[in-house]
Amino acid sequence: NAGVMQNPRHLVRRRGQEARLRCSPMKGHSHVYWYRQLPEEGLKFMVYLQKENIIDESGMPKERFSAEFPKEGPSILRIQQVVRGDSAAYFCASSPTSGTGGFANEKLFFGSGTQLSVL
Amino acid sequence: GQNIDQPTEMTATEGAIVQINCTYQTSGFNGLFWYQQHAGEAPTFLSYNVLDGLEEKGRFSSFLSRSKGYSYLLLKELQMKDSASYLCAVPAGANNLFFGTGTRLTVIP
Repeated sequence: NAGVMQNPRHLVRRRGQEARLRCSPMKGHSHVYWYRQLPEEGLKFMVYLQKENIIDESGMPKERFSAEFPKEGPSILRIQQVVRGDSAAYFCASSPTSGTGGFANEKLFFGSGTQLSVL
Repeated sequence: GQNIDQPTEMTATEGAIVQINCTYQTSGFNGLFWYQQHAGEAPTFLSYNVLDGLEEKGRFSSFLSRSKGYSYLLLKELQMKDSASYLCAVPAGANNLFFGTGTRLTVIP
């Protein structure tokens, strides 16, 4: 059973370009979370999605950032017109469909991340 | 809101025991997680505590005191491969985890 797959592992963009980060959750998982990790900082929640729905985007910047999790295919985190401050590691995590209820009972399975560098 | 405090760095000797502390403030406690993250890799789940006390899992144990807002991760018989960052996290709302900045542990021979 493959883990959470993220690609690319490293992405270099120039200021003003678009960055697309992809995440395939673990098989059988329908919940996807995106986190951002800046150097020397903790993982910061960005967005939580289920298939075809954005459930919670409270951690996502209002402009330039968007996320989707289509019925078919991976989840995509899209950053338009990137700036140097967007340089960070972006991690995707997935969790199984909750049968018992309560996020606190579900551990997150993380991918290896995409390191975005903006020149 | 949530707040987590952990030491930034720790160093310990191979074969020894190390305790990594975490103090937290959160509205509506709903458990505490520990994750391990090797440099450049994915965080991996270590433990989840929701009740007070010590939970042991092999060489790793995690302790929780809800009244004190305090947890620690205990690593026994340290191995070189235990060099990593250890992240303390609490649920923030229904849909996400709030992570501390992590404790970078270096195990020396």
